[in-house]
Order: sequence, then structure tokens, then C-alpha cells
Amino acid sequence: GQSLEQPSEVTAVEGAIVQINCTYQTSGFYGLSWYQQHDGGAPTFLSYNALDGLEETGRFSSFLSRSDSYGYLLLQELQMKDSASYFCAVNRDDKIIFGKGTRLHILP
Amino acid sequence: DAEITQSPRHKITETGRQVTLACHQTWNHNNMFWYRQDLGHGLRLIHYSYGVQDTNKGEVSDGYSVSRSNTEDLPLTLESAASSQTSVYFCASSAGDLETQYFGPGTRLLVL
Repeated sequence: GQSLEQPSEVTAVEGAIVQINCTYQTSGFYGLSWYQQHDGGAPTFLSYNALDGLEETGRFSSFLSRSDSYGYLLLQELQMKDSASYFCAVNRDDKIIFGKGTRLHILP
Repeated sequence: DAEITQSPRHKITETGRQVTLACHQTWNHNNMFWYRQDLGHGLRLIHYSYGVQDTNKGEVSDGYSVSRSNTEDLPLTLESAASSQTSVYFCASSAGDLETQYFGPGTRLLVL
């Protein structure tokens, strides 16, 4: 089966760095994706890790360790507009399975 | 510009009624998906399609059906709406890779 675990909420300060973790238990694993969703909006794709290591896209980075069944999303230089929910997702058996999401609160 | 649209954006219906939610994409993507989103459950896959005439069940497919007669559209039908189907429904599409999905704006459905 598949199981994705991520914290339900994380709080950080504007300008700081925050890491959102995701652990997974799944067979037939192909890679880990991250999506952002603002309140009332649709999910938008952020990044995808098929291989171990760090992928950087501007202020956002995503990391994957297959041996540890673990990944994280790193957000740097936090801005108020980064307040949103962040979902990790895995490709299992050609279907994308989403975690329940992490709500990121940013304090001024 | 290419896009993915959903209609209606809001819908109120009664239990037992048949409801169809539309999803239309202009990217010419082969892959299309329907999800529902509820508090505490994240996004759950209802049905998906990898091409015309192809449809597959997701993890929460009971009470829902889809059909894919062309590349652009994947309508979702609730055969007999139930209050448990009150939710926000998102349609998504992707090209060759499944990991990069583009989501529509969502449909808020209330079943009374």
C-alpha cells in the first residue's frame, strides 16, 4: 500500500527558512512531487524529485532520499505570499497519491 | 493561452439527483484526472484517463463515473448524489509525465 506522512501545520517567520518533511511508505515508488495550494485556489506544481538529492528552483528546493523513504521541501527567504498548504505526492503504479498537506503559517 | 477549465464553479443539488461536472483542457494532454478535496483528507483520486476511450478507477470511485470521448474533456458524473459527496472537486491534466499536473479552478458541490 501507500502512506504519506507530513506535518499538518508549520509556523515560520517572514524572511526565515522553513523545511516541510514528507515520509512515505509505498511500493513501486517512482518519485516525489510537491504542490502548493493557496486558500480557495487550485494546487500548483512546484517540483519533482525522481532521483536522490536536492533540486533547486529559485527560493524553493526539494530533496529526496530513497534509502530513507524521506523527502522535504525547503522554502527560503519566506514571504507572506508563501502562506499556503503544501502537499507531497508520490507516483505509485502510475497514479499520483497525495499527502494530506501541511499548512504553512508565516508570521510578520 | 492553453488552460484547463471547470464548470460549474459552484453547484447545489439534492440527494438522489444526477450531477455532471465538466472539465475541459486545451493543452492537448493525454492524461486527465478527477480529485476530491475534503478537510483532513487532502486530495483523493476519483477517476483518471490516459487517453480517449480510456478510463480507470481511483481510490474513491464509488458513486462516480467518467467518460473520455475526446482529448479535451473528461466529465465527471455523480449517478445519484449523496450528502457524503459534498466536496470540492478538482480536475487536472498532464502530458507524458504524471508528476506535473495542471489543475483546474475547482467546483464546489453541495448536496442537500
